[in-house]
Amino acid sequence: GESVGLHLPTLSVQEGDNSIINCAYSNSASDYFIWYKQESGKGPQFIIDIRSNMDKRQGQRVTVLLNKTVKHLSLQIAATQPGDSAVYFCAENTGGFKTIFGAGTRLFVKA
Amino acid sequence: DARVTQTPRHKVTEMGQEVTMRCQPILGHNTVFWYRQTMMQGLELLAYFRNRAPLDDSGMPKDRFSAEMPDATLATLKIQPSEPRDSAVYFCASGLTGDNEQFFGPGTRLTVL
Repeated sequence: GESVGLHLPTLSVQEGDNSIINCAYSNSASDYFIWYKQESGKGPQFIIDIRSNMDKRQGQRVTVLLNKTVKHLSLQIAATQPGDSAVYFCAENTGGFKTIFGAGTRLFVKA
Repeated sequence: DARVTQTPRHKVTEMGQEVTMRCQPILGHNTVFWYRQTMMQGLELLAYFRNRAPLDDSGMPKDRFSAEMPDATLATLKIQPSEPRDSAVYFCASGLTGDNEQFFGPGTRLTVL
């Protein structure tokens, strides 16, 4: 697999702590917001999505929060593990299939 | 388990040469996407197909790039002629209509000298 070493914002957390990754979006007409994880040498992997009429959605160890007032999206990872180390992208689409990806945030998990 | 495959995984070529990248979507998926990832631009959508028909290729330089789906099991992205600025990792992804989840392949790292 492949990945690209982007100069990205970086978040460093201790193993076992909770992580919060933030994202600002621009299109208030977007219907869905999506989080992807990209590990080194691999393609992005879907984590969770949230529809624009929701403000919170939970998955396994992850929670996505949506604040449409300030166009802000966050991904919370509970009990962060070394395997969570990756680049995390937020993405948005308008209900079709044109998905626009953000710049990404690199998460480092310290053992 | 089912996954998107891409070939080649790495390609080094000289400026002016034709490059063809291939993708096999997950069996049964009816949407296919091509993305390009670079340090400067991040992950950019180049083109996408639904039921083998191109829906949007506005992200693709039309003069040198072309994307096709000869059949449901093969998507191709061609660059002719290639230029050094085309150097990037090219990802293919597939999915199902109505589902936000896209399944990405491992990518093709293209280097144009």
